[in-house]
Amino acid sequence: GNSVTQMEGPVTLSEEAFLTINCTYTATGYPSLFWYVQYPGEGLQLLLKATKADDKGSNKGFEATYRKETTSFHLEKGSVQVSDSAVYFCALKSSGDKLTFGTGTRLAVRP
Amino acid sequence: NAGVMQNPRHLVRRRGQEARLRCSPMKGHSHVYWYRQLPEEGLKFMVYLQKENIIDESGMPKERFSAEFPKEGPSILRIQQVVRGDSAAYFCASSSGQEATGELFFGEGSRLTVL
Repeated sequence: GNSVTQMEGPVTLSEEAFLTINCTYTATGYPSLFWYVQYPGEGLQLLLKATKADDKGSNKGFEATYRKETTSFHLEKGSVQVSDSAVYFCALKSSGDKLTFGTGTRLAVRP
Repeated sequence: NAGVMQNPRHLVRRRGQEARLRCSPMKGHSHVYWYRQLPEEGLKFMVYLQKENIIDESGMPKERFSAEFPKEGPSILRIQQVVRGDSAAYFCASSSGQEATGELFFGEGSRLTVL
């Protein structure tokens, strides 16, 4: 079956530091890949997505590249802000199937 | 531009009572998913429904939990005889089922506390 593995948190960074959150997956077929973000007390919001190999999703300074050869979709941001503090979920979806999430990685950014 | 609407946002129940959580999908969406998030954990899939049909309930506990998505009205997740371990945030998501990417849109969640 499908599965997603994320690096465990929490990740604590200073403002303007570089961020990487690792995500690898196991899936049948050719899934779409997603990063969702959950701010405190809120639901999940789609951050970015990629639907095929070598696609790069980007939004709000965050980027992730769909790497089929390494089955990875690592999230990166060049300079984090305090407002980026949240829980980040990597997820995949195969056609006609449900969205499968990783366990989430909590990011805390210090001023 | 109404998104996915869930209610109640917060629900408190005593052990043995029933909890009903409602989800109205985005306009035009006929696919609904329920996920459960336990404290400090990720999201676990529970059930996937289309109008009047349960498509995948592989994540639903075998007892006390049920879900429906009637032809008219919201989807309902029902938990009978709640126990403390049912305390969690329950998220609903919807899609039209037609997007090639399969993006889901989430509600803000219903937080159940069992005393």
